Amino acid sequence: AQSVTQPDIHITVSEGASLELRCNYSYGATPYLFWYVQSPGQGLQLLLKYFSGDTLVQGIKGFEAEFKRSQSSFNLRKPSVHWSDAAEYFCAVGDNYGQNFVFGPGTRLSVLP
Amino acid sequence: GAGVSQTPSNKVTEKGKYVELRCDPISGHTALYWYRQSLGQGPEFLIYFQGTGAADDSGLPNDRFFAVRPEGSVSTLKIQRTERGDSAVYLCASSLRRDNSYNEQFFGPGTRLTVL
Repeated sequence: AQSVTQPDIHITVSEGASLELRCNYSYGATPYLFWYVQSPGQGLQLLLKYFSGDTLVQGIKGFEAEFKRSQSSFNLRKPSVHWSDAAEYFCAVGDNYGQNFVFGPGTRLSVLP
Repeated sequence: GAGVSQTPSNKVTEKGKYVELRCDPISGHTALYWYRQSLGQGPEFLIYFQGTGAADDSGLPNDRFFAVRPEGSVSTLKIQRTERGDSAVYLCASSLRRDNSYNEQFFGPGTRLTVL
């Protein structure tokens, strides 16, 4: 069965600092991997996805993620965090082009001015 | 254009009552999904529709939960005899279609259900 772990429940960083959010997955075949962001009162928004090819994928809002098959990881990174990045971040794994999602528990990001 | 909308945004009910949660998908989207997000957890799949029919309802927790999409557009999630454990945010998503290709799911803001 598919599963996703996000080891960090809550992370606090200063504005302008770099960010890395961890995601580990368990999946028997080639995974389809996603990162979503959820701001208060807003729907989940897709940041980026990985299906195949280049293991470093670029997304919106300056985010990127790297797929490491050997570590079963898909960590999200941003070189310089903005106050507006404060939100909840969810990693997800899916099959059938990600149409059957399993989400991780989420990591809440706080940004200090 | 308009995104996925859900009404009400908040619903407070008493244990044992019946509730209906509504989802208006993006116009033209044939696939519609319902998820439940409990506190401190990620969304969990409940059911998905392709057109008017429920193509996969394997995520519904029990027979108190039911969803319809009679005209292939708006969907209603219905919960009978609500329990305190049903308290969660219920998310709806839609995508253009569901086939052997990638179709991004667009999520609504959710309905927060509180069962007292």
